[in-house]
Formats: sequence, structure tokens, C-alpha cells
Amino acid sequence: EPEVTQTPSHQVTQMGQEVILRCVPISNHLYFYWYRQILGQKVEFLVSFYNNEISEKSEIFDDQFSVERPDGSNFTLKIRSTKLEDSAMYFCASSEGLETDTQYFGPGTRLTVL
Amino acid sequence: DQQVKQNSPSLSVQEGRISILNCDYTNSMFDYFLWYKKYPAEGPTFLISISSIKDKNEDGRFTVFLNKSAKHLSLHIVPSQPGDSAVYFCAARAITQGGSEKLVFGKGTKLTVNP
Repeated sequence: EPEVTQTPSHQVTQMGQEVILRCVPISNHLYFYWYRQILGQKVEFLVSFYNNEISEKSEIFDDQFSVERPDGSNFTLKIRSTKLEDSAMYFCASSEGLETDTQYFGPGTRLTVL
Repeated sequence: DQQVKQNSPSLSVQEGRISILNCDYTNSMFDYFLWYKKYPAEGPTFLISISSIKDKNEDGRFTVFLNKSAKHLSLHIVPSQPGDSAVYFCAARAITQGGSEKLVFGKGTKLTVNP
């Protein structure tokens, strides 16, 4: 069964460093998303991406964040200068379309900012 | 901002009994609801969904009920099995101003099914 994959599973970085989290969505999906979950809190929407551009972003997704689909398979989330409060699980999701198509999630990347 | 609320952080049931997980929402614009199951160190796994035009959807041991007037949905698992032990998230779909969609999640309910 196709699945969303994410790498790395765990990333440790120093405050102020740049990180790139990688995702490979399900191959025939067209809509891509990033969510995050700070420990003990809700899963929160960050950004949606379609047709090589951002469709929607939350207030969390400030200028330090960017997303890219550099090739036909990868979908990346870059945090330019990490802060302590960026420590969280980051989940990538994809869906085939909108309306009633389900978003399928990857296993997540645990980001720890020291 | 608590548009989707799961007021029970945990639930414990005996194997073979029914598990009922509840979810309330405040935004009447939500048109689609989903339940995800999450094991530790894994991503949310889609379980079952329901459109706002329906009041019930069933898939094997899992049934989701939607009461639009009360803005309430519930997930029934019967019979419950120890492998169902996980955190269950209720999520509601919102169409964004940009024409995209996003999921708004509840805080989750940790279900423990005891053998």
C-alpha cells in the first residue's frame, strides 16, 4: 500500500541553524501539507501546497519557513533559523484531490532544537 | 482557538466492550470529519470519515456518528481489542480562503483496551 515517507526520523540542531525536513508524498497525490505537533499539544496545520505554490499557510508559517517541491517526488520544509520553540514533530501529508479525499500522513520527523 | 474539542484525554475499556470516543466542534462551516489513530512515534493513520450530509458511517468495527445540530460526533469501536490502544484524533476539514483545505485537530483521546 502506498504511503507517505519522511526523512530523517529525528533531527537535532542548534538554535539558529537551518534545517530541511524531507517528505515523499504518495505518487499520484496532488495536494501536499505540513503539520506540526508540539509535545503535549494539538496537531496544527502549517501550510498546504498545490501546483507548485502555497495554497494556504497558517500564522505559524512565518518568513522563517519555506516549502519546495524540488523534483517530481520530494516535498521539503525548510526552517531558515531554528528557534527553541520550533522543537516538535513535523508531519507531512498528501491527498489525491480536495473535497472528500483523505489526507494521508507520514510518520513524522522529530525536530529537537538545542 | 478550540474549534475541535475532545474533552476526554483518556478512556479505558475492557476487551470486547464498546469504546465511545467523543468530539465536539464549534465551526458550522466544517463539512467533513475524520478520525485518525496514532501510535507513539508514528504519524496519524486515517481510520474513518463522515461527510456533513450524513449522520452515520460504518466500516467494520468502527462507526462514526454525526449530530450536526449538536455539533457533535462520536466514534464507536465494537468490539474493542487490545490492538486498538492508541491516541485517537478527531479532525474537521475547513476550506481555506485560498480554496485549499486544512484539517483542524482535537487534542486527542488516549484509548487503552485492557485484555
